[in-house]
Amino acid sequence: DTEVTQTPKHLVMGMTNKKSLKCEQHMGHRAMYWYKQKAKKPPELMFVYSYEKLSINESVPSRFSPECPNSSLLNLHLHALQPEDSALYLCASSQATGTGWGILSFTGTDTQYFGPGTRLTVL
Amino acid sequence: DQQVKQNSPSLSVQEGRISILNCDYTNSMFDYFLWYKKYPAEGPTFLISISSIKDKNEDGRFTVFLNKSAKHLSLHIVPSQPGDSAVYFCAATGNQFYFGTGTSLTVIP
Repeated sequence: DTEVTQTPKHLVMGMTNKKSLKCEQHMGHRAMYWYKQKAKKPPELMFVYSYEKLSINESVPSRFSPECPNSSLLNLHLHALQPEDSALYLCASSQATGTGWGILSFTGTDTQYFGPGTRLTVL
Repeated sequence: DQQVKQNSPSLSVQEGRISILNCDYTNSMFDYFLWYKKYPAEGPTFLISISSIKDKNEDGRFTVFLNKSAKHLSLHIVPSQPGDSAVYFCAATGNQFYFGTGTSLTVIP
């Protein structure tokens, strides 16, 4: 089973709303990721959690706030977003086979498995 | 700085023929390479991978070739099927995880 689930599938929100995206995996993976993808572009990494600790924050604005309540769940809290934040938000997970997980290492055969994404529209 | 590039944004192939998707990278420290397939508005689906210690990996209709000296990898799909029509991303890992720019494959029935 290589399934990563994401809810909701679609989300429309105003610029003053607060909403959350959810991601879940039951593969025993210890690294989880948030990506943002705009049309006709590759996914852009936003955040990485390894062993429930935030390892990488790719200079993402504070209106995006990640949370990893446990090893199976990853949330992305959204507040005061802008229309340009409209995109497909992808969650991924991997086994975290690299070493030195205080600082994330992608070495080794660490395959990321992606969820179906949440299509976010900010009005 | 795009460390993984797919220079062909699109490719059209007749059903039953071979599809060859190419990917070039700049960082010789990358040690693991992957191909993902993506349909619109869906997450990427893992297809096949190859470690830097190998030069070929095969899985059914999909074969990935790695040429480390040229810093080049390719994905061969044989025979191509209409359901293979999608965007294909290569990816490479080292100290970071890098996606290529994507190639849109259209398989014509």
